[in-house]
Amino acid sequence: AQKVTQAQTEISVVEKEDVTLDCVYETRDTTYYLFWYKQPPSGELVFLIRRNSFDEQNEISGRYSWNFQKSTSSFNFTITASQVVDSAVYFCALSEAHGQAGTALIFGKGTTLSVSS
Amino acid sequence: NAGVTQTPKFQVLKTGQSMTLQCAQDMNHNSMYWYRQDPGMGLRLIYYSASEGTTDKGEVPNGYNVSRLNKREFSLRLESAAPSQTSVYFCASSEHLLNSGNTIYFGEGSWLTVV
Repeated sequence: AQKVTQAQTEISVVEKEDVTLDCVYETRDTTYYLFWYKQPPSGELVFLIRRNSFDEQNEISGRYSWNFQKSTSSFNFTITASQVVDSAVYFCALSEAHGQAGTALIFGKGTTLSVSS
Repeated sequence: NAGVTQTPKFQVLKTGQSMTLQCAQDMNHNSMYWYRQDPGMGLRLIYYSASEGTTDKGEVPNGYNVSRLNKREFSLRLESAAPSQTSVYFCASSEHLLNSGNTIYFGEGSWLTVV
């Protein structure tokens, strides 16, 4: 069965620290898509990145980077030099090319990141 | 640059009352979704519409109905609200269904409390 696990419920860091948010997924599909979303205190869900299962290249966008490893079924998210504005709940999500899960996103429970100044 | 717009943002209902959450997207997307978000449960799919004229149940459809009014609009109706439906509701859209590798974009959420 498809599943997304974010084992870290809450993380607290001080500004300028680096922080990594873990995401482990389960799927039997050979083609799937992984996502990260940010939910700031205002409540909206903001899309951050999508990664296809056939593309294991890591990606960097400013202070954000993502490490996709199929061998360990992980798609981890690192924020470098964290800032207070990074405080939010971060969700990892999965969709599959085949099967019912392809109709929707399967979300992890989220990791709450608190960055203090 | 509206994206996905949903109304109302906040609503308090009494048990047994009915209401409709409205959603519209301006990205010319074919697929639309309604999710609910509850503490400790993450986001769960209520209903989705693959394209105009079709709707299908998601993970938690009981107590809800939907209407895909046209390509832009997808409404969610609570016929007889129950306290268990207290939640944050998100409308979302994507160009096509997610198994095509599309990205889903969310509205800002609607906070619903049933007392």
